[in-house]
Amino acid sequence: EVQLLESGGGLVQPGGSLRLSCEASGFTFNTYAMNWVRQSPGKGLEWISGISSSGESTYHAGSVKGRFTISRDNSKNTLHLEMNSLSAEDTATYYCVKDVGRGDDFYHLDSWGQGTLVTVSS
Amino acid sequence: DIVLTQSPDSQSVSLGERATINCKSSRTLLSSSNNKNYLAWYQQKPGQPPKVLIYWASIRASGVPDRFSGSGSGTDFTLTISSLQAEDVAVYYCQQYYSNFRTFGQGTKVEIK
Repeated sequence: EVQLLESGGGLVQPGGSLRLSCEASGFTFNTYAMNWVRQSPGKGLEWISGISSSGESTYHAGSVKGRFTISRDNSKNTLHLEMNSLSAEDTATYYCVKDVGRGDDFYHLDSWGQGTLVTVSS
Repeated sequence: DIVLTQSPDSQSVSLGERATINCKSSRTLLSSSNNKNYLAWYQQKPGQPPKVLIYWASIRASGVPDRFSGSGSGTDFTLTISSLQAEDVAVYYCQQYYSNFRTFGQGTKVEIK
């Protein structure tokens, strides 16, 4: 069974930084592309970052480009999201999401973690 | 970015009746190389993460009841719930994966009338 366990969320001040992690199990982590998707309170889903299975290719939505960095450690089956220059608009639940795509292919999203809440406020 | 626009934003449907949700893309999601539509549908129930229902526009994911079906091609897609059940109350999202910069529709809330 695929399990994705996010951690690292919490309260951070505007302009601050946070690093999210996602521990994956139940599948061959280094085979699949991975993603982060966020959801602001009461709002819809926003895909923000994707990474290929090797970690060589990364993609970020325009809303976070230059501020957020997705990475992975295949030796530890862990996905990360480094978030800098945070603002109130980044307040959301952040989901770690497994892609069906392997290698450099990105397809639909088949497994989701429970999410970790990030609150940006002074 | 590819923009997905869902309609309606919300829908109230009687139990056993049909629910239809539309998703319109700003660009074609049909690949000429493999003739596949790069569109998925997700269901999100309150307090839960989303769950994939449909991929490649019309293929039901494992374990999804056959009252859920997806159709459409190119820029216009539809998710149909043929006979609404109480457990289908949720928000439904379409999502494109034609571009590596994935995008979601804004969501459609389905309620019981």
